[in-house]
Amino acid sequence: GAGVSQSPRYKVAKRGQDVALRCDPISGHVSLFWYQQALGQGPEFLTYFQNEAQLDKSGLPSDRFFAERPEGSVSTLKIQRTQQEDSAVYLCASSLVGQGTEAFFGQGTRLTVV
Amino acid sequence: AQSVTQLDSQVPVFEEAPVELRCNYSSSVSVYLFWYVQYPNQGLQLLLKYLSGSTLVKGINGFEAEFNKSQTSFHLRKPSVHISDTAEYFCAVSDQDSSASKIIFGSGTRLSIRP
Repeated sequence: GAGVSQSPRYKVAKRGQDVALRCDPISGHVSLFWYQQALGQGPEFLTYFQNEAQLDKSGLPSDRFFAERPEGSVSTLKIQRTQQEDSAVYLCASSLVGQGTEAFFGQGTRLTVV
Repeated sequence: AQSVTQLDSQVPVFEEAPVELRCNYSSSVSVYLFWYVQYPNQGLQLLLKYLSGSTLVKGINGFEAEFNKSQTSFHLRKPSVHISDTAEYFCAVSDQDSSASKIIFGSGTRLSIRP
């Protein structure tokens, strides 16, 4: 596609509900990143995939957070038993593999837990 | 581990005035440096990046940044700002030595342009 696409754009979840956030990267991009951006803050790294392999998940805040990219293209970030502190914008980015290459970001999914 | 400090959370300037947004980084290894811009309700867009070579990097929309290794800084400048430059600006760093390197972002600087 023309850019990184994320869906839904907005999600309201009741506390304790499970949510799934989708990311469609740019076609052919090997690398895929998930970030969490709280209000007034910079994006915080969550996890990184190279093709279908999850090479770094050091930023996932708890075992309630799970990400997958089973066929090396579309990725899903799942949050189980959501809590209010999970409210944030979740950003997905993709890039060609290689050091220093530009990461292209989607518009994000704004998650509000009530 | 790397970290990025953006010293100013907000910078108000008048239209057509010059602006400098400050960024300092900390790292034990060589790094790549980036500036991203985030317009309201949009995703992050790359303004410019420093990989190697000339320490003065020119980006889109008339922005430029200078890499200063001794001061571990990568300040962003524009000689004359426009209303359309109103946005959040993020400085970022990634590790040169890793083939699978995440980008670490600063907390951002909100640039507001007054007419």
